[in-house]
Amino acid sequence: EAGVAQSPRYKIIEKRQSVAFWCNPISGHATLYWYQQILGQGPKLLIQFQNNGVVDDSQLPKDRFSAERLKGVDSTLKIQPAKLEDSAVYLCASSLPVRNTEAFFGQGTRLTVV
Amino acid sequence: AQTVTQSQPEMSVQEAETVTLSCTYDTSESNYYLFWYKQPPSRQMILVIRQEAYKQQNATENRFSVNFQKAAKSFSLKISDSQLGDTAMYFCAFMTLNAGNNRKLIWGLGTSLAVNP
Repeated sequence: EAGVAQSPRYKIIEKRQSVAFWCNPISGHATLYWYQQILGQGPKLLIQFQNNGVVDDSQLPKDRFSAERLKGVDSTLKIQPAKLEDSAVYLCASSLPVRNTEAFFGQGTRLTVV
Repeated sequence: AQTVTQSQPEMSVQEAETVTLSCTYDTSESNYYLFWYKQPPSRQMILVIRQEAYKQQNATENRFSVNFQKAAKSFSLKISDSQLGDTAMYFCAFMTLNAGNNRKLIWGLGTSLAVNP
C-alpha cells in the first residue's frame, strides 16, 4: 500500500515570501491532517479535513495560512507571507474515519524561513 | 483540559538492554485510545503500539509493550532488547473526540531515545 506522499521535502524561502506544500493521502483515507512540528516539540494540529470539509482549524493562523482539499483527495497548505517563526517541519497525515485507527504520516516538508 | 505529559526529554540505553519511557495523561473520558509513535531522524512518524482504554490487557508488539494503568492515567512504553534502529523521538498521543464528534490526537512533547552500541 502506498504511503502518504508529501512534496517538497525541503524548502528555503525569505520572510514575506509565499510557499505551498502538497500532500497526497493514502487512497480511501477520508481524514487528512496538517501538523506543524517545531524543532524539539510535538506535532501541533493546524487543520483537519473530513473528505473536503474542514472539521478543525482552530489552531491555524488564518491571517497567513490557508489549506484546501479539493475533491476530498490531495491537499495543499499555503503560507503567505511567511515569518521566521514559521520555520518548522510540516507533516501531513491521513486516516480512516474510524475512531480506533491510527494516523499514517508522510515524511514531512522542512521549511526554513530566512 | 486534556493533556499528555512525557516527563523524560532525553533517555539513553545500551544496545540489547531494556528501557521504559513514561507517559501520563489527563482526561475525564472513560473510553479513549492511546498511541506511541516513533519519529527517527528521517522525520517519518511511525506507529509503534496502541491501546484501547476499555481493554485491561496491555498491548504488545514484538519487543515493544506498554504498561497501561487506567486509574493512574499512565501509559509507559517498554522497549526490550534495544537495537540501534530504535534511536528516535518517541511521542505519546491520546485520541479523543472534539466538539464536532471528530477524532483529535493530543500529543506529548516527546522523549529522545538514544541507543548506544
